Amino acid sequence: QQQVKQSPQSLIVQKGGIPIINCAYENTAFDYFPWYQQFPGKGPALLIAIRPDVSEKKEGRFTISFNKSAKQFSLHIMDSQPGDSATYFCAASKDSNSGYALNFGKGTSLLVTP
Amino acid sequence: EAGVTQFPSHSVIEKGQTVTLRCDPISGHDNLYWYRRVMGKEIKFLLHFVKESKQDESGMPNNRFLAERTGGTYSTLKVQPAELEDSGVYFCASSQGPGSGANVLTFGAGSRLTVL
Repeated sequence: QQQVKQSPQSLIVQKGGIPIINCAYENTAFDYFPWYQQFPGKGPALLIAIRPDVSEKKEGRFTISFNKSAKQFSLHIMDSQPGDSATYFCAASKDSNSGYALNFGKGTSLLVTP
Repeated sequence: EAGVTQFPSHSVIEKGQTVTLRCDPISGHDNLYWYRRVMGKEIKFLLHFVKESKQDESGMPNNRFLAERTGGTYSTLKVQPAELEDSGVYFCASSQGPGSGANVLTFGAGSRLTVL
């Protein structure tokens, strides 16, 4: 049973556009929601993460929006660039000072055209 | 700081053979995780070590998979005997010990396993 559902599977936007990737979860015990970015031949790298005490978090051009009541969260990339072309994974887990298994979505392949 | 290193980067074996994947985490990271991604699917959790102890192995598919982390440093994941459905990319990740950094995982580039 997939714990985190991610959409869309793939996305093409023009440079400067704002791609939006959506994720939904079921387990109300989850309270840590990171996004990972993966380039071909590399492992996923942590991009940005949010905890449910805030509804939005921005780091540079990347913004997470979080809706606790709907159990949904999304990633927005402002002023997207061709260098942002990558696969993006959302994830969710219980927040723990001793580490916890991440539950990943299936990933979104983003292509930003020049 | 050296990242998480995985070896081999790609392994092609026949059904029934044995393969051992190795992961060297970031030095000093107590937490070590193994994940697997089958093509087109989500990255799935396999198991979690804290130092040399298995904290959570609920994601291990069956007893053909054996993970070890002797001495709490590097880890190996052995698949014996391999089946076709074991094909995929195996990722290792590590994070710091207890504290706010425990949830910040650094992933290796993965070991791609192809079982023919």
